[in-house]
Amino acid sequence: GAVVSQHPSWVICKSGTSVKIECRSLDFQATTMFWYRQFPKQSLMLMATSNEGSKATYEQGVEKDKFLINHASLTLSTLTVTSAHPEDSSFYICSAQAGTGGREAFFGQGTRLTVV
Amino acid sequence: GENVEQHPSTLSVQEGDSAVIKCTYSDSASNYFPWYKQELGKGPQLIIDIRSNVGEKKDQRIAVTLNKTAKHFSLHITETQPEDSAVYFCAASFDNYGQNFVFGPGTRLSVLP
Repeated sequence: GAVVSQHPSWVICKSGTSVKIECRSLDFQATTMFWYRQFPKQSLMLMATSNEGSKATYEQGVEKDKFLINHASLTLSTLTVTSAHPEDSSFYICSAQAGTGGREAFFGQGTRLTVV
Repeated sequence: GENVEQHPSTLSVQEGDSAVIKCTYSDSASNYFPWYKQELGKGPQLIIDIRSNVGEKKDQRIAVTLNKTAKHFSLHITETQPEDSAVYFCAASFDNYGQNFVFGPGTRLSVLP
């Protein structure tokens, strides 16, 4: 299957600081990328959908000013958690969808964010 | 909106036995149903998927069946091995042009040696 690389795999930051997470599709062009959040022992919850070159679409209840998403190219999307707080600590996962009409989604390895 | 239920939440089987995980969905417009395996601390990995125009799909030890009328689909793993131990998520997609996956709550499978 296609490869999606997420970086960093884990990060610890202080309260009030911002953290950027990168999601790259390594061997295909991803017209659409998705960002999920997963709390321990829970399922994946979609945060936002981003299409290359346009603004991200956020799910209800997700603060767009807190979770900044940029999808500047067909192979890179970034999620920036601004002014992080301990309650933002979670496992963040991106996925990418290749091409038009394709519906297979490939996930990155996830980023564990801990805010102290 | 779409709602996906998944059962059981935990499943323990002896190595070599079969494992079956079942999911139901609510939106009859859903037309794509992937299954993901997630190991601890890692992202989900697509293991098999099925589209609504197919009733069954098999890939070596893994198979998925879909009953559109009843709106349920199942994952079947035969000859289970310890490395099959993981959390499995089913999902339903109801958007022909995007992802919009709704995930089930997950099943923690333990294969006992």
